[in-house]
Amino acid sequence: GAGVSQSPSNKVTEKGKDVELRCDPISGHTALYWYRQSLGQGLEFLIYFQGNSAPDKSGLPSDRFSAERTGGSVSTLTIQRTQQEDSAVYLCASSPRRTSLNEQFFGPGTRLTVL
Amino acid sequence: AQKVTQAQTEISVVEKEDVTLDCVYETRDTTYYLFWYKQPPSGELVFLIRRNSFDEQNEISGRYSWNFQKSTSSFNFTITASQVVDSAVYFCALGRRPNTGNQFYFGTGTSLTVIP
Repeated sequence: GAGVSQSPSNKVTEKGKDVELRCDPISGHTALYWYRQSLGQGLEFLIYFQGNSAPDKSGLPSDRFSAERTGGSVSTLTIQRTQQEDSAVYLCASSPRRTSLNEQFFGPGTRLTVL
Repeated sequence: AQKVTQAQTEISVVEKEDVTLDCVYETRDTTYYLFWYKQPPSGELVFLIRRNSFDEQNEISGRYSWNFQKSTSSFNFTITASQVVDSAVYFCALGRRPNTGNQFYFGTGTSLTVIP
């Protein structure tokens, strides 16, 4: 079946512009995560959605970052007034909700370059 | 607080050598989960294994084996007879119980290069 998809795969933008990154999780997965992976770094948690519960936004680095998940499916990560330090690969992952914690299924990522 | 430490940033081995990737974690939770993921050069992370905190049995899957020791808060990963295709970045992760908010904490990864 289809895995997690993300678009665009690459995005180059100018400093100060806003960008939107999209994630389509695996159908039926109720949990959705956004991570940021900077060059040579691990995965930095950004935000977590679980069903209709309020999202856990504790990882968002600043108020320029926001995310939505519409209808419990597609999610959009928005970065306003982009800065050069926002350049990174943004990864989305989804996971089925069960009684125990399951593995995440990752998308291919969006490589964001802020000039 | 939850934390995962992968002290080895980069490792290089010659093909057919065995290699162990270290992972040390911190948590006060009594129920938690440990994961290993592989990120090949193509970029997409791939799940390798999950262990829960109540199961300390070592696991072997082909050339891969995992050693979970609660006493030392470690979950090490060994590749036996390494192959070039094993070259990748490997991430260890700690997962908390569902309904505790953010559930996953990743280490910074170990980049493994297997030299032919």
